[in-house]
Amino acid sequence: NAGVTQTPKFRILKIGQSMTLQCTQDMNHNYMYWYRQDPGMGLKLIYYSVGAGITDKGEVPNGYNVSRSTTEDFPLRLELAAPSQTSVYFCASISGTGNTIYFGEGSWLTVV
Amino acid sequence: KNQVEQSPQSLIILEGKNCTLQCNYTVSPFSNLRWYKQDTGRGPVSLTIMTFSENTKSNGRYTATLDADTKQSSLHITASQLSDSASYICVVSSLDSNYQLIWGAGTKLIIKP
Repeated sequence: NAGVTQTPKFRILKIGQSMTLQCTQDMNHNYMYWYRQDPGMGLKLIYYSVGAGITDKGEVPNGYNVSRSTTEDFPLRLELAAPSQTSVYFCASISGTGNTIYFGEGSWLTVV
Repeated sequence: KNQVEQSPQSLIILEGKNCTLQCNYTVSPFSNLRWYKQDTGRGPVSLTIMTFSENTKSNGRYTATLDADTKQSSLHITASQLSDSASYICVVSSLDSNYQLIWGAGTKLIIKP
């Protein structure tokens, strides 16, 4: 049981490039989330999913896209990267009973 | 609007001292409240979760209290240790959608030797 696995851990992108942050959980959780955290700030919700095939926007979805083709995977796509997307990204999941939230280790993204 | 506010924004205390962090929320209808600890550069780690009927919950040196009437929660840390230096985040869920998590900005706690 690996929990929530995020890749890559670190990435430097040039302005205008695209990339996908991968997130996988092996706990059969229905709910998955993508957050970003800027230095010294709290977590902000980008997108979330309540199950395979269902996604919805969070607080700061602009510039991002997600998909949820399986229960396990919830990739986050950055299109046309901008310096404002420099941040730490956390993927998280929670079971239907809604107790503990499990977080990935984070992905540090720098756009230059 | 559902909101979670935490205070103080930051706190510095000496090792061995106690401290209390505050969380006020306007989330309604209330489902549960969680406290998380986030070390620098790491993902948040769960400390406690409390539902409407729970007034207090402990996890080692951490004790969380909840007053659902005044919509306030506190996290008390006893006999602080250097490893307690972290951000402490309050997270509230609404009964309307248990998967919608409203996050506070966190309190940054620094323990000095």
